[in-house]
Amino acid sequence: DTGVSQNPRHKITKRGQNVTFRCDPISEHNRLYWYRQTLGQGPEFLTYFQNEAQLEKSRLLSDRFSAERPKGSFSTLEIQRTEQGDSAMYLCASSLGLTPYEQYFGPGTRLTVT
Amino acid sequence: GQQVMQIPQYQHVQEGEDFTTYCNSSTTLSNIQWYKQRPGGHPVFLIQLVKSGEVKKQKRLTFQFGEAKKNSSLHITATQTTDVGTYFCAGWRSGGGADGLTFGKGTHLIIQP
Repeated sequence: DTGVSQNPRHKITKRGQNVTFRCDPISEHNRLYWYRQTLGQGPEFLTYFQNEAQLEKSRLLSDRFSAERPKGSFSTLEIQRTEQGDSAMYLCASSLGLTPYEQYFGPGTRLTVT
Repeated sequence: GQQVMQIPQYQHVQEGEDFTTYCNSSTTLSNIQWYKQRPGGHPVFLIQLVKSGEVKKQKRLTFQFGEAKKNSSLHITATQTTDVGTYFCAGWRSGGGADGLTFGKGTHLIIQP
């Protein structure tokens, strides 16, 4: 399968713990995006990378969230000191090109904070 | 910040009826994209509109971008059970900015056979 992959698919953690998610984009895609989606809502933009550079970060993103894409390939999203409000589906998407174009979404990581 | 609103939130139709969802942005958009998400699935890209007044068709789906580049619509003719899902519009604000791609809340299409 040459699509976007995300790991793990599900994560249950206790409040206050740190979690890290991984996204592997389509190999030739230079842009990578992270979104958060809660039930009944559209995906909410978190941040995006062009190659290894993090170009934009949502103003709503808490400083407990950090993302990296060290070699311009896979990316990780870390949430520190998780809160129950962090429970959501975390989606990764990738796209090719310098201008906004179609994004290919991965299956997501569902986070449950207890 | 930028807001993208979609109506209706839910739409029940009989199979074979037409369906339309509307998308409105509080700011001018550089482009608008439409995605479909099946229950339990992830968003899948349908189309991108860039030009003012642009109309694009994909089989039974017709997409429009408003003249002011602040609104858009998706129309499905003669719905089929395979059309079930949530349709999202998503827009990039003109000039870029830290909001990235802003999605609407989606319209859930429910089809009764």
